Amino acid sequence: QLQLQESGPGLVKPSETLSLTCTVSGGSISTNSYYWGWIRQPPGKGLEWIGSIYYSGSAYYNPSLKSRITISVDTSKNQFSLKVNSVTAADTTVYYCARIGRSSGGTIDYWGQGSLVTVSS
Amino acid sequence: QSALTQPPSASGSPGQSVTISCTGTSSDVGYFDYVSWYQQHPGKAPKLMISEVSKRPSGVPDRFSGSKSGNTASLTVSGLQAEDEADYYCSSYAGSNTVVFGGGTKLTVL
Repeated sequence: QLQLQESGPGLVKPSETLSLTCTVSGGSISTNSYYWGWIRQPPGKGLEWIGSIYYSGSAYYNPSLKSRITISVDTSKNQFSLKVNSVTAADTTVYYCARIGRSSGGTIDYWGQGSLVTVSS
Repeated sequence: QSALTQPPSASGSPGQSVTISCTGTSSDVGYFDYVSWYQQHPGKAPKLMISEVSKRPSGVPDRFSGSKSGNTASLTVSGLQAEDEADYYCSSYAGSNTVVFGGGTKLTVL
């Protein structure tokens, strides 16, 4: 059974960089059939697509966040990561990592449990 | 890339049917047959209920169905049950390996 698990600091100071890692178990990240993504959800609000990456390293970002985001992949560790620069209180959300079907137009069939990151001094 | 439009709330009595709409544009919902629907219970991660407009993943009850007409997709839940009470989100492929979500609909079973 595929599992995804987010990890990283739960508290980040304003203007600093938020870093999260997603560890994939029960399957390989190095597959042509899927890519790997990040979605976030402010408490009590809706979902927002952040971006995604193939195991080859090709990354795709939400245009509205692109200037502050980097997604990377480490196939040797079966992990992919998210960095968000210059964070503000608006970046206080639950961050989910996910598996996305490559041939199904962005269908997310596996989600991590979510990681709450709070931006505060 | 604007969010898809969903009604904030919907409701129905047990056994009834309810339909939730998801309106996009000719660049996303109207162009691609890649609309998905997710169910989210409080404090939980979303769960895939419908993919590619109308495909139901294994394990999802056939009470859940999806459709699309023009720029609007719909999720219908038939034979409402108490456990169907949750937030529902639609999403659509928007090109260039990006996805856009709807704002979510809170479904209440009366």
